[in-house]
Amino acid sequence: AQSVAQPEDQVNVAEGNPLTVKCTYSVSGNPYLFWYVQYPNRGLQFLLKYITGDNLVKGSYGFEAEFNKSQTSFHLKKPSALVSDSALYFCAVRDVNAGNNRKLIWGLGTSLAVNP
Amino acid sequence: SQTIHQWPATLVQPVGSPLSLECTVEGTSNPNLYWYRQAAGRGLQLLFYSVGIGQISSEVPQNLSASRPQDRQFILSSKKLLLSDSGFYLCAWSVRGQETYNEQFFGPGTRLTVL
Repeated sequence: AQSVAQPEDQVNVAEGNPLTVKCTYSVSGNPYLFWYVQYPNRGLQFLLKYITGDNLVKGSYGFEAEFNKSQTSFHLKKPSALVSDSALYFCAVRDVNAGNNRKLIWGLGTSLAVNP
Repeated sequence: SQTIHQWPATLVQPVGSPLSLECTVEGTSNPNLYWYRQAAGRGLQLLFYSVGIGQISSEVPQNLSASRPQDRQFILSSKKLLLSDSGFYLCAWSVRGQETYNEQFFGPGTRLTVL
């Protein structure tokens, strides 16, 4: 079965330090991977995606993600965290089962807290 | 540019009352449309999606229904709300025909509290 795991419910980092939010996946075939961010009481905002090509994907707000096929991971990273990065982060993978490619399979989210 | 609207932003309803949440998209044609619910905590649950007018796929049997009367309008309804219907409802759209590669874009959400 296809799945996405975000192994950490919460990540705490100090402002200015690098941050990593982890995501692992399990899909048949090529994975199409996405990261979203959600601020309190707001809708989700798209950050970045991996479809093919370079394993390091750059996205919005200084975020990037590294695709690792051998480890089936797609970790979100930022070199220097800001307090304003505090939010809920979701990893998702395209459901590639026949007839289901319109749907995403979502992780449960990771709450990121950046401390001043 | 494309914009997605949802209303109302917040709603408090008694158990047993009807529900109608509306979502509209501007700046695109023939989108795929989605309704999600996010319960307290964080997980996203896909409720319905639609690939065209009058075409609705239901993901989870429940107390809710969806309709798409116009190309860029998606409505979530219930005849009688349950306490368990409380949550944060999110509408989203994506480009039809490129679903594999394209992201979904989300509206601002509706916070529903059933008392």
